[in-house]
Amino acid sequence: ETGVTQTPRHLVMGMTNKKSLKCEQHLGHNAMYWYKQSAKKPLELMFVYSLEERVENNSVPSRFSPECPNSSHLFLHLHTLQPEDSALYLCASSQDHDTFTRNTIYFGEGSWLTVV
Amino acid sequence: AQSVAQPEDQVNVAEGNPLTVKCTYSVSGNPYLFWYVQYPNRGLQFLLKYITGDNLVKGSYGFEAEFNKSQTSFHLKKPSALVSDSALYFCAVLQGNTPLVFGKGTRLSVIA
Repeated sequence: ETGVTQTPRHLVMGMTNKKSLKCEQHLGHNAMYWYKQSAKKPLELMFVYSLEERVENNSVPSRFSPECPNSSHLFLHLHTLQPEDSALYLCASSQDHDTFTRNTIYFGEGSWLTVV
Repeated sequence: AQSVAQPEDQVNVAEGNPLTVKCTYSVSGNPYLFWYVQYPNRGLQFLLKYITGDNLVKGSYGFEAEFNKSQTSFHLKKPSALVSDSALYFCAVLQGNTPLVFGKGTRLSVIA
């Protein structure tokens, strides 16, 4: 167990659906991340939150909407997705987002998303 | 811009033999280097990292990595591979106040 829990582990949704991915970390960390992992592509950083404030948004389409109500929880709201959005979505956390502290990032098990 | 390359998509090794998974990086200053492993249907697990100090870093599950500044490499090694080491391995680099950059991953297959 890494201390980062993601639900659901698997999700199948239609292109007109609205769904959400949930992430919870039990490590007392201040920073949380969403990554997208697609086959044969590098991990893509989507969003970074530090102390509930978004500090990084890597040109992610608006059909992905993050929410960080507190430093332990992170959501990814999904709306009108495309089949090419099918991927493994990984949540992660670290002590701080400030990388000068060289913090290790700890990942959850991921949520497998299939858009049909 | 910082980047990391894993030149091999796939590495095959017989059980009991030494294994090496290659990683090279490109940064303009001092890098901080990481290795993660991803087992099937799981998230990424931290293996080891190099920040400063001894160039040989020891990590989880008997893995180690050697930082080579002149060759800008950070290859992952293990003296004796196990079938259970079969997984996807990611090298990552960090520099300054920028997000961690991951390589594309190398799939390691250890054959009994």
